[in-house]
Amino acid sequence: DTEVTQTPKHLVMGMTNKKSLKCEQHMGHRAMYWYKQKAKKPPELMFVYSYEKLSINESVPSRFSPECPNSSLLNLHLHALQPEDSALYLCASSQDPLAGGLYNEQFFGPGTRLTVL
Amino acid sequence: DQQVKQNSPSLSVQEGRISILNCDYTNSMFDYFLWYKKYPAEGPTFLISISSIKDKNEDGRFTVFLNKSAKHLSLHIVPSQPGDSAVYFCAASGRVSNTGKLIFGQGTTLQVKP
Repeated sequence: DTEVTQTPKHLVMGMTNKKSLKCEQHMGHRAMYWYKQKAKKPPELMFVYSYEKLSINESVPSRFSPECPNSSLLNLHLHALQPEDSALYLCASSQDPLAGGLYNEQFFGPGTRLTVL
Repeated sequence: DQQVKQNSPSLSVQEGRISILNCDYTNSMFDYFLWYKKYPAEGPTFLISISSIKDKNEDGRFTVFLNKSAKHLSLHIVPSQPGDSAVYFCAASGRVSNTGKLIFGQGTTLQVKP
């Protein structure tokens, strides 16, 4: 299994809703990432989990809350989002962020298209 | 401060010709470089990478060249095909931080005309 899966594919939510995005990989990778991407812009890093511990939070607002239940799963909990948070949310994984080089090649999931009304 | 730059927002080439996408970086601590391809509404797909100890890496129609002294890399696609039309991002990582963080360029939109 060489893919990263994400659910749901599309999500529409109101500003008062609570929802969660899910990501799964079965490649034995020890790092997982959340990115936000706007149209034709590069992916913007939000969070990094390394060996199931949060290692990077890129000053993301607290209305986004990540969770890594185990080495294969990554969740992003959403609460009280704003319309400007509408974007493609991407999950990625890499083999070993501490080793660098090719072990840092990140494999992306298909993304969740989020619309906040 | 943009550490990885793709100065050409777009590129148009004829099918069968060579596509050359360029990327410049400023941080000499970067030691690994990657190219990703992205179709609309999909996640980026890893294409090819190169370590700073090499100056060339080839995989089928895709070749990446690295010029460390100029802090420049390029992706060559030969021959270009209409299915190659997508946004291409170069990315860099550095061994020093060991955080797994990739620094992405702004992307170049490639259009291959039949």
